[in-house]
Amino acid sequence: EVVLTQSPGTLSLSPGERATLSCRASQSVSSSYLGWYQQKPGQTPRLLIYGASSRATGIPDRFRGSGSGTDFTLTISRLEPEDFAVYFCQQYVTSPYTFGQGTKLEIK
Amino acid sequence: EVQLLESGGGLVQPGGSLRLSCAASGFTFSSYAMNWVRQAPGKGLEWVSAIIGSGRSTYYADSVKGRFTISRDNSKNTLYLQMNTLRAEDTAVYYCATSGRWLGLCDYWGQGTLVTVSS
Repeated sequence: EVVLTQSPGTLSLSPGERATLSCRASQSVSSSYLGWYQQKPGQTPRLLIYGASSRATGIPDRFRGSGSGTDFTLTISRLEPEDFAVYFCQQYVTSPYTFGQGTKLEIK
Repeated sequence: EVQLLESGGGLVQPGGSLRLSCAASGFTFSSYAMNWVRQAPGKGLEWVSAIIGSGRSTYYADSVKGRFTISRDNSKNTLYLQMNTLRAEDTAVYYCATSGRWLGLCDYWGQGTLVTVSS
């Protein structure tokens, strides 16, 4: 099983700042089969990024995914108030298709 | 517009069974793999199971293997999750989600149905 470890657990920033979220895999995620999801309180998760760096439909370009192998990053260039949420990474290269434990992005 | 509507959740005693359903619309259901993902109260996401479009191949998390069965009826555009021998740790909101691009990647999500396992 591929274990995904996200850091930090909580990130406190202000609107307008840049956020950098990390996802590290216990083994290489080939072909960058890595996705990122956003979940706001009381809402369903939403796919943001797939293939490590491709934005899903309707996702603003301030969200950028990068990385390969075992180290992946989600960068939000200029935080908007609606970006404060919990973010999960997921690998879908091999079953079980595991999620990271999440990073909570909160307003400072 | 993709729509996914889960149903079948509720309160069940430990050791009991429950069957969840996910009614799909707005896309060609038989062409999409489907997933079940769960979220325990206040916790993160846990992928549970997936099934390819034809239904011929299924995949499970170790935590549910042998107890849960995923299936689909493409004539009814409906996904199922049969859950047997339920445990307290199965308590969660269960979401169904499409995999339109790659198996396991969850493109679109339903609103979820709550399963509570308690005596």
